[in-house]
Amino acid sequence: GDSVTQMEGPVTLSEEAFLTINCTYTATGYPSLFWYVQYPGEGLQLLLKATKADDKGSNKGFEATYRKETTSFHLEKGSVQVSDSAVYFCALSDPWGSTGTASKLTFGTGTRLQVTL
Amino acid sequence: DGGITQSPKYLFRKEGQNVTLSCEQNLNHDAMYWYRQDPGQGLRLIYYSQIVNDFQKGDIAEGYSVSREKKESFPLTVTSAQKNPTAFYLCASRTPGRVGHNEQFFGPGTRLTVL
Repeated sequence: GDSVTQMEGPVTLSEEAFLTINCTYTATGYPSLFWYVQYPGEGLQLLLKATKADDKGSNKGFEATYRKETTSFHLEKGSVQVSDSAVYFCALSDPWGSTGTASKLTFGTGTRLQVTL
Repeated sequence: DGGITQSPKYLFRKEGQNVTLSCEQNLNHDAMYWYRQDPGQGLRLIYYSQIVNDFQKGDIAEGYSVSREKKESFPLTVTSAQKNPTAFYLCASRTPGRVGHNEQFFGPGTRLTVL
Protein backbone atom coordinates (compact mmCIF):
# COMPACT_ATOMS: atom_id res chain seq x y z
CA GLY A 1 0.00 0.00 0.00
CA ASP A 2 0.87 3.66 -0.12
CA SER A 3 3.27 5.00 2.50
CA VAL A 4 5.18 8.16 3.40
CA THR A 5 8.46 8.28 5.28
CA GLN A 6 9.73 11.45 6.92
CA MET A 7 12.93 12.18 8.76
CA GLU A 8 12.55 11.94 12.50
CA GLY A 9 12.69 15.05 14.59
CA PRO A 10 12.98 17.21 16.36
CA VAL A 11 14.99 19.38 14.02
CA THR A 12 16.52 22.28 15.92
CA LEU A 13 17.86 25.25 13.99
CA SER A 14 18.97 28.78 14.69
CA GLU A 15 17.02 31.60 13.11
CA GLU A 16 18.05 32.30 9.49
CA ALA A 17 19.45 28.77 9.04
CA PHE A 18 18.64 26.64 5.99
CA LEU A 19 15.97 23.99 6.44
CA THR A 20 15.55 20.63 4.78
CA ILE A 21 13.00 18.05 5.89
CA ASN A 22 13.24 14.83 3.92
CA CYS A 23 10.19 13.00 2.64
CA THR A 24 10.05 9.88 0.48
CA TYR A 25 7.01 7.96 -0.63
CA THR A 26 5.75 4.66 -1.99
CA ALA A 27 2.65 4.64 -4.16
CA THR A 28 1.07 2.42 -6.77
CA GLY A 29 0.39 5.16 -9.29
CA TYR A 30 1.19 8.81 -9.79
CA PRO A 31 0.30 10.52 -6.54
CA SER A 32 -0.17 14.14 -5.66
CA LEU A 33 2.11 15.27 -2.85
CA PHE A 34 1.44 17.72 -0.05
CA TRP A 35 3.14 19.40 2.89
CA TYR A 36 0.95 20.38 5.83
CA VAL A 37 1.99 22.37 8.91
CA GLN A 38 0.54 22.06 12.41
CA TYR A 39 1.09 24.72 15.06
CA PRO A 40 0.70 23.70 18.73
CA GLY A 41 -2.87 22.81 19.65
CA GLU A 42 -4.22 23.51 16.18
CA GLY A 43 -5.39 21.62 13.11
CA LEU A 44 -3.34 21.15 9.95
CA GLN A 45 -2.87 23.83 7.32
CA LEU A 46 -1.87 23.14 3.75
CA LEU A 47 1.57 24.60 3.13
CA LEU A 48 2.16 23.57 -0.49
CA LYS A 49 1.41 20.85 -3.01
CA ALA A 50 2.56 19.34 -6.31
CA THR A 51 0.43 17.18 -8.57
CA LYS A 52 2.91 15.84 -11.13
CA ALA A 53 6.56 15.01 -11.57
CA ASP A 54 8.99 17.96 -11.60
CA ASP A 55 6.32 20.31 -10.25
CA LYS A 56 7.58 22.69 -7.58
CA GLY A 57 5.21 23.77 -4.84
CA SER A 58 6.01 26.95 -2.96
CA ASN A 59 4.48 29.11 -0.25
CA LYS A 60 5.74 31.50 2.45
CA GLY A 61 9.37 30.87 1.46
CA PHE A 62 9.00 27.08 1.63
CA GLU A 63 9.58 24.97 -1.48
CA ALA A 64 9.37 21.30 -2.44
CA THR A 65 9.96 19.62 -5.80
CA TYR A 66 8.20 16.42 -6.87
CA ARG A 67 11.01 14.02 -7.83
CA LYS A 68 9.58 10.88 -9.39
CA GLU A 69 12.95 9.28 -10.04
CA THR A 70 13.83 9.36 -6.34
CA THR A 71 10.22 9.22 -5.08
CA SER A 72 10.91 12.24 -2.91
CA PHE A 73 9.32 15.56 -1.95
CA HIS A 74 11.78 17.25 0.38
CA LEU A 75 10.74 20.49 2.07
CA GLU A 76 13.22 23.39 2.03
CA LYS A 77 13.41 26.96 3.25
CA GLY A 78 16.36 29.25 2.83
CA SER A 79 16.06 31.16 6.11
CA VAL A 80 13.84 29.94 8.93
CA GLN A 81 12.20 32.14 11.53
CA VAL A 82 11.10 31.42 15.10
CA SER A 83 7.52 31.59 13.85
CA ASP A 84 8.19 28.55 11.64
CA SER A 85 8.42 26.33 14.72
CA ALA A 86 5.75 23.68 14.20
CA VAL A 87 5.22 20.08 13.12
CA TYR A 88 5.43 19.43 9.38
CA PHE A 89 3.62 16.53 7.71
CA CYS A 90 4.28 15.12 4.27
CA ALA A 91 1.28 13.42 2.65
CA LEU A 92 0.20 11.84 -0.61
CA SER A 93 -3.05 11.25 -2.43
CA ASP A 94 -3.04 8.58 -5.09
CA PRO A 95 -5.62 9.24 -7.83
CA TRP A 96 -4.74 5.95 -9.45
CA GLY A 97 -5.24 3.89 -6.33
CA SER A 98 -7.82 1.19 -5.91
CA THR A 99 -11.49 2.08 -5.69
CA GLY A 100 -12.21 4.24 -2.69
CA THR A 101 -8.61 5.13 -1.98
CA ALA A 102 -8.37 7.98 -4.44
CA SER A 103 -9.88 10.41 -1.96
CA LYS A 104 -7.62 9.42 0.93
CA LEU A 105 -4.52 11.13 2.21
CA THR A 106 -1.62 9.03 3.51
CA PHE A 107 0.48 10.92 6.05
CA GLY A 108 4.01 10.63 7.33
CA THR A 109 4.57 10.68 11.08
CA GLY A 110 5.49 14.36 11.14
CA THR A 111 8.73 16.24 11.83
CA ARG A 112 8.90 18.76 14.64
CA LEU A 113 10.91 21.90 13.83
CA GLN A 114 12.22 24.10 16.62
CA VAL A 115 13.80 27.42 15.66
CA THR A 116 15.74 29.37 18.28
CA LEU A 117 17.07 32.92 18.34
CA ASP B 1 -15.60 33.38 6.40
CA GLY B 2 -15.79 29.82 5.14
CA GLY B 3 -14.22 27.08 7.18
CA ILE B 4 -14.53 24.03 9.36
CA THR B 5 -15.53 24.23 12.99
CA GLN B 6 -15.13 21.53 15.61
CA SER B 7 -16.59 21.60 19.05
CA PRO B 8 -15.77 21.41 21.81
CA LYS B 9 -12.03 22.14 21.77
CA TYR B 10 -11.49 20.06 24.93
CA LEU B 11 -13.69 17.20 26.06
CA PHE B 12 -13.46 15.07 29.18
CA ARG B 13 -15.46 11.90 29.65
CA LYS B 14 -15.57 9.00 32.03
CA GLU B 15 -14.56 5.57 30.85
CA GLY B 16 -17.48 3.62 29.38
CA GLN B 17 -19.42 6.65 28.18
CA ASN B 18 -20.17 7.38 24.55
CA VAL B 19 -19.28 10.86 23.36
CA THR B 20 -20.06 12.72 20.13
CA LEU B 21 -17.67 15.19 18.50
CA SER B 22 -19.11 17.86 16.26
CA CYS B 23 -17.79 18.87 12.84
CA GLU B 24 -19.45 21.51 10.67
CA GLN B 25 -18.28 23.07 7.40
CA ASN B 26 -19.66 25.90 5.29
CA LEU B 27 -17.31 25.36 2.36
CA ASN B 28 -19.91 23.43 0.34
CA HIS B 29 -17.55 20.45 0.17
CA ASP B 30 -18.99 17.01 -0.55
CA ALA B 31 -16.27 14.91 1.05
CA MET B 32 -15.50 14.94 4.77
CA TYR B 33 -13.07 12.99 6.94
CA TRP B 34 -12.26 12.13 10.55
CA TYR B 35 -8.70 11.51 11.68
CA ARG B 36 -7.13 10.55 14.96
CA GLN B 37 -3.75 11.92 16.02
CA ASP B 38 -1.68 10.45 18.84
CA PRO B 39 1.53 12.01 20.21
CA GLY B 40 4.47 11.53 17.88
CA GLN B 41 2.36 9.84 15.24
CA GLY B 42 0.87 10.82 11.96
CA LEU B 43 -2.83 11.07 11.28
CA ARG B 44 -4.87 7.90 10.98
CA LEU B 45 -8.16 7.84 9.08
CA ILE B 46 -11.21 6.78 11.07
CA TYR B 47 -14.14 7.33 8.68
CA TYR B 48 -14.82 9.32 5.55
CA SER B 49 -17.85 10.36 3.57
CA GLN B 50 -17.85 11.33 -0.08
CA ILE B 51 -21.49 12.38 -0.21
CA VAL B 52 -24.52 12.85 2.00
CA ASN B 53 -26.01 9.63 3.41
CA ASP B 54 -22.89 7.64 2.52
CA PHE B 55 -19.72 6.91 4.48
CA GLN B 56 -16.91 4.36 4.55
CA LYS B 57 -14.63 2.94 7.19
CA GLY B 58 -11.07 4.13 7.29
CA ASP B 59 -8.08 2.35 8.73
CA ILE B 60 -9.10 2.44 12.41
CA ALA B 61 -12.93 2.48 12.45
CA GLU B 62 -13.44 0.01 15.29
CA GLY B 63 -15.11 1.65 18.27
CA TYR B 64 -16.30 4.68 16.29
CA SER B 65 -19.47 5.57 14.40
CA VAL B 66 -20.51 8.44 12.14
CA SER B 67 -23.52 9.84 10.32
CA ARG B 68 -23.87 12.14 7.32
CA GLU B 69 -27.43 13.41 7.21
CA LYS B 70 -26.49 16.88 6.00
CA LYS B 71 -23.77 18.09 3.68
CA GLU B 72 -22.49 20.52 6.29
CA SER B 73 -22.24 18.12 9.21
CA PHE B 74 -20.25 14.95 9.93
CA PRO B 75 -20.41 14.06 13.65
CA LEU B 76 -18.20 11.35 15.13
CA THR B 77 -19.28 9.19 18.06
CA VAL B 78 -16.58 7.59 20.16
CA THR B 79 -18.21 4.56 21.73
CA SER B 80 -17.34 2.62 24.86
CA ALA B 81 -15.98 -0.11 22.56
CA GLN B 82 -13.01 2.08 21.65
CA LYS B 83 -10.23 0.74 23.86
CA ASN B 84 -8.01 3.80 23.96
CA PRO B 85 -10.06 6.86 23.03
CA THR B 86 -7.84 9.58 24.51
CA ALA B 87 -6.44 11.45 21.48
CA PHE B 88 -6.65 14.57 19.33
CA TYR B 89 -9.42 14.28 16.73
CA LEU B 90 -9.32 16.22 13.48
CA CYS B 91 -12.09 16.71 10.98
CA ALA B 92 -11.39 17.66 7.37
CA SER B 93 -13.21 18.33 4.12
CA ARG B 94 -11.90 18.06 0.58
CA THR B 95 -12.09 20.66 -2.14
CA PRO B 96 -14.12 19.67 -5.21
CA GLY B 97 -12.39 18.85 -8.44
CA ARG B 98 -10.27 16.04 -9.70
CA VAL B 99 -10.11 13.43 -6.97
CA GLY B 100 -6.62 12.77 -5.73
CA HIS B 101 -5.25 16.13 -6.76
CA ASN B 102 -7.22 18.30 -4.40
CA GLU B 103 -6.27 19.11 -0.86
CA GLN B 104 -8.11 18.66 2.40
CA PHE B 105 -8.95 21.50 4.77
CA PHE B 106 -8.77 20.79 8.48
CA GLY B 107 -10.71 21.98 11.49
CA PRO B 108 -8.98 23.10 14.71
CA GLY B 109 -9.43 19.71 16.39
CA THR B 110 -10.99 18.33 19.56
CA ARG B 111 -8.80 16.93 22.32
CA LEU B 112 -10.65 14.09 24.02
CA THR B 113 -9.48 12.84 27.41
CA VAL B 114 -11.10 9.80 28.96
CA LEU B 115 -10.68 9.67 32.73
